[in-house]
Amino acid sequence: QVQLVQSGAEVKKPGASVKVSCKASGYDFTTYGVAWVRQAPGQGFEWMGWISPYDGATKFRQKFQGRVTLTIETSTTTAYMELRNLKSDDTAVYFCARDLDFRSDVWGQGTTVIVSS
Amino acid sequence: DIQLTQSPSSLSASLGDRVTITCQASEDIIISLNWYQQHPGKAPKLLIHDASSLETGVPSRFSGSGSGTHFSLTITSLQPEDFATYFCQQYEDVFTFGGGTKVEIK
Repeated sequence: QVQLVQSGAEVKKPGASVKVSCKASGYDFTTYGVAWVRQAPGQGFEWMGWISPYDGATKFRQKFQGRVTLTIETSTTTAYMELRNLKSDDTAVYFCARDLDFRSDVWGQGTTVIVSS
Repeated sequence: DIQLTQSPSSLSASLGDRVTITCQASEDIIISLNWYQQHPGKAPKLLIHDASSLETGVPSRFSGSGSGTHFSLTITSLQPEDFATYFCQQYEDVFTFGGGTKVEIK
């Protein structure tokens, strides 16, 4: 079946980087974009960016420009999100989601990232 | 960024009730709006796209309406699995989400 499986929880110190993976299966990986969304504790959702597995095109929320890198490994149908220079308010659950026509119809299970000294 | 304001932030309802959640956009987003359901500790599930189109596999008791700046999600005849938090999301500009509406059992 169609699914996205994300990597496990991470605990990082301020200033460090984190890289979250999102393994896709059950569909043509290059047909759909991959969006990254985070949900801080007790907060709403924040869209971070999007990448096309077809051509590697990316779009970012301006606040993350320069601090987030989105990449694709088509051979393993895996998407990656790297967030650098972590701060305490980056503590959140990070989701990847399959995206087509501006809607995210399949989501990963979420990856908890805790930033703490 | 376009702001989305959901109301109410929470509500209590009984099985079989009809429930309506609203989402107001800070500017005209035409019909560029999705609705999601999220159970605690789980990933969101897409219910409605393009303001009123039911996602494949979603029960017909869910419906969406609206355009411009005012939108609503209606659930007719609440079922046990419908007690969850609901979010709207706009994609007319940089994607943003509403603050969520928690539907609890009365």
